[in-house]
Amino acid sequence: RKEVEQDPGPFNVPEGATVAFNCTYSNSASQSFFWYRQDCRKEPKLLMSVYSSGNEDGRFTAQLNRASQYISLLIRDSKLSDSATYLCAVNIRNNDMRFGAGTRLTVKP
Amino acid sequence: DTAVSQTPKYLVTQMGNDKSIKCEQNLGHDTMYWYKQDSKKFLKIMFSYNNKELIINETVPNRFSPKSPDKAHLNLHINSLELGDSAVYFCASSQSPGGPEFFGPGTRLTVL
Repeated sequence: RKEVEQDPGPFNVPEGATVAFNCTYSNSASQSFFWYRQDCRKEPKLLMSVYSSGNEDGRFTAQLNRASQYISLLIRDSKLSDSATYLCAVNIRNNDMRFGAGTRLTVKP
Repeated sequence: DTAVSQTPKYLVTQMGNDKSIKCEQNLGHDTMYWYKQDSKKFLKIMFSYNNKELIINETVPNRFSPKSPDKAHLNLHINSLELGDSAVYFCASSQSPGGPEFFGPGTRLTVL
C-alpha cells in the first residue's frame, strides 16, 4: 500500500459544481495534514492545513478522519480558476512529508 | 521579495556532467527540503535539513549531495548526471518540523 494515495482523476466539472477529493494514508502515527494546489509547470502552493475538527476557508472545506485514515477536500461553487492539480500531503514523522500523486481538476464553463 | 528562490530555473546539460542548484529562503524558517518531481508528476522528498543538520536522506544516489552554508540556504550538487535525473527539482522550507512547507519555483533539469 502506498503511503499516501489519491484518485488521479481527472475530474471534469461545470462551473458552480461542488466537487470532493479524498486522500488515504497508511501511517496511523501521521501528525499533520495539508492540501496543496499545483498549476501546470508551477510549484505546489499551500491551500490549507487540515485539522482534526475540520476547517473551512471560503469555498474550501477540509476534513480529517483519523479512524479511517483519510483526509478530504470539498470545493463548493467551483470557479474556472480552481482548475489545477490538488495534492494531499501527510507528515508521517517530523521533516518527512509525503505527497499524493495529485488529483487533476478541470472546471468548465 | 520572493520567499523561496531557486537558481537556475532551467538547466540543460550532458550526461556525466556535474551541476549545482541553489536555494535560498528569506522566511526565517528552520527547515529546508529538496524534492524531485518526475515526468509522472510524483513529488518525492530527497533531503531535509534542520539547523544545518541532515534529518532525512531518502534512497537517493550518493551522486546527490545537499550543502547548507547557513540556515537560509540549501544547495543541491549532482555529480555524474544521468538521463534519469531529468526532472523538476523543488526546494522548500518550513518554520518547524511537520509544519506546512513553502516551495520555490522549481528547477527544470534536462540531461541529454
